[in-house]
Amino acid sequence: RKEVEQDPGPFNVPEGATVAFNCTYSNSASQSFFWYRQDCRKEPKLLMSVYSSGNEDGRFTAQLNRASQYISLLIRDSKLSDSATYLCVVISNTGGFKTIFGAGTRLFVKA
Amino acid sequence: DGGITQSPKYLFRKEGQNVTLSCEQNLNHDAMYWYRQDPGQGLRLIYYSQIVNDFQKGDIAEGYSVSREKKESFPLTVTSAQKNPTAFYLCASSDRSKTTNEKLFFGSGTQLSVL
Repeated sequence: RKEVEQDPGPFNVPEGATVAFNCTYSNSASQSFFWYRQDCRKEPKLLMSVYSSGNEDGRFTAQLNRASQYISLLIRDSKLSDSATYLCVVISNTGGFKTIFGAGTRLFVKA
Repeated sequence: DGGITQSPKYLFRKEGQNVTLSCEQNLNHDAMYWYRQDPGQGLRLIYYSQIVNDFQKGDIAEGYSVSREKKESFPLTVTSAQKNPTAFYLCASSDRSKTTNEKLFFGSGTQLSVL
């Protein structure tokens, strides 16, 4: 089992749609969680951190479920510019810090 | 502006040749990293360095080498021992003093291809 798993997609949605991505992690001792966005052949950029209480940034909402060991990202009112790959990132500190990237979920938003 | 600079953007390697990818940061970060990304896969850690003159192997270090002689520089050499070097290489840095809330700052990447 991979340490961090994501549905690779692609997700094809029309503009204005709501789309949700999930990410599961295997290490129950994981401490920090993030969503990064990556455009084709570009560097990943931090989208948002994920907190246990859930957090929202405009049209984006991130949730963490420690009991089930998954995090989610919800995008409301999708824009064409949201088309990208979304990477789930998990940091653990068992025997030293370790940052694990998921393989990413590809999103296409169409007019 | 502070940031990470990778060069070159595109690099071609001939069989049996060593090539070096440059990574420079002016963020005053202690930790620097090299990742490899293949199509449809997540980033895989090649090497990382938490302090000057020290570095550690990541998950896929074979066929690569690094140095950390200066805080701001962390070059990666892809040696002839790396038989499948074609990939997108990303350099990153972070301020390790901030405990586990380790946000990574990435360079713009280098696409390495084999001739």
